[in-house]
Amino acid sequence: DGGITQSPKYLFRKEGQNVTLSCEQNLNHDAMYWYRQDPGQGLRLIYYSQIVNDFQKGDIAEGYSVSREKKESFPLTVTSAQKNPTAFYLCASSWGTGVNEKLFFGSGTQLSVL
Amino acid sequence: GNSVTQMEGPVTLSEEAFLTINCTYTATGYPSLFWYVQYPGEGLQLLLKATKADDKGSNKGFEATYRKETTSFHLEKGSVQVSDSAVYFCALSERRDDKIIFGKGTRLHILP
Repeated sequence: DGGITQSPKYLFRKEGQNVTLSCEQNLNHDAMYWYRQDPGQGLRLIYYSQIVNDFQKGDIAEGYSVSREKKESFPLTVTSAQKNPTAFYLCASSWGTGVNEKLFFGSGTQLSVL
Repeated sequence: GNSVTQMEGPVTLSEEAFLTINCTYTATGYPSLFWYVQYPGEGLQLLLKATKADDKGSNKGFEATYRKETTSFHLEKGSVQVSDSAVYFCALSERRDDKIIFGKGTRLHILP
């Protein structure tokens, strides 16, 4: 079945540690996105990529980094510079970035700080 | 800038009640409008969309009409079920902007 796979489902980070969240899609989508979800705040865009080897900062990129070396993969690294990383992280993809594009979401990764 | 405002939750209803979740938007152009649903522990799924004024999106008994004059896209369902319990997000995508903007979400609880 086609879809987006995020792993792990739960992740714990120690102080000063970088952690990487995986996102893989087999939908052949060009565009991929990372969102952060906090209770009562909805979804905030961290980074997005419209094509391989290219990505742009979203609204809250500080303390995060991404790469897009393959079309199907868009990993997110939460660095030690992100002081409040506890949140639910959602990866999404779409065929393109046109105005009517539907986003397909993964099941999310819950990141917590130890 | 563009924005989406949803009614705050949680909204609690009994099964078979009528549902309305309000959504209003601010945009400089002519956005497409969406409702996404998030079931517990999952990602979001597109529920319905409308791409121009007076369009009505519908799916699974839910409906929403794009009202340009009131800049609204309210979600309605005539008879809710326990399985409709979820968080509902209104969103817009504006022609000159690559990013989809989401509202803060409205949590819906349906009691049996």
